Amino acid sequence: GAVVSQHPSRVICKSGTSVKIECRSLDFQATTMFWYRQFPKQSLMLMATSNEGSKATYEQGVEKDKFLINHASLTLSTLTVTSAHPEDSSFYICSARPGQDLSLGYTFGSGTRLTVV
Amino acid sequence: QKEVEQNSGPLSVPEGAIASLNCTYSDRVSQSFFWYRQYSGKSPELIMSIYSNGDKEDGRFTAQLNKASQYVSLLIRDSQPSDSATYLCAVNGRGKLIFGQGTELSVKP
Repeated sequence: GAVVSQHPSRVICKSGTSVKIECRSLDFQATTMFWYRQFPKQSLMLMATSNEGSKATYEQGVEKDKFLINHASLTLSTLTVTSAHPEDSSFYICSARPGQDLSLGYTFGSGTRLTVV
Repeated sequence: QKEVEQNSGPLSVPEGAIASLNCTYSDRVSQSFFWYRQYSGKSPELIMSIYSNGDKEDGRFTAQLNKASQYVSLLIRDSQPSDSATYLCAVNGRGKLIFGQGTELSVKP
């Protein structure tokens, strides 16, 4: 089946530093990947849609200068949290759809637990 | 109005019973619908997908879709303690997957 690999699984960083999270589709090409954020006891909130070779599309209220997304190849998208602050601490999850058929489920990475101290 | 709404629960059922999870959505152009299961601290895993009105069965799981009522449900038969998790309803209509807030299910032995 389709596999999405996400790294790192956990990261602790100091306030003011930047953190990069990688999302790879291992056995399929993904022209589009999605980045979600999940706070404790809350649902997944879509942050942005990452498009290979073009700019990402951000959801309303998400700061594009703070959450930099790069989708340089058909199998890799990265999310960089810049100048991280404690309120950015959250569970970040990427996903991709292994095909153009909208009936296909999205495959999720294992998530990255970010803690900003 | 939220795009996708679920009862947050928690929903508690005894082992062996049927668990019924409900979801409504607001965007009528939505085309495909999914149920995901999420264990605490883990990422979601796909349980069922449905895109035609009616029922779709897979093992102990049955998804039901009524586009006229903008309603999706998930039935879990013979519930097991291992089914205890948060169940997320997700809707895809405009090229992106939007989630409901999730329903926490607890199956008591």
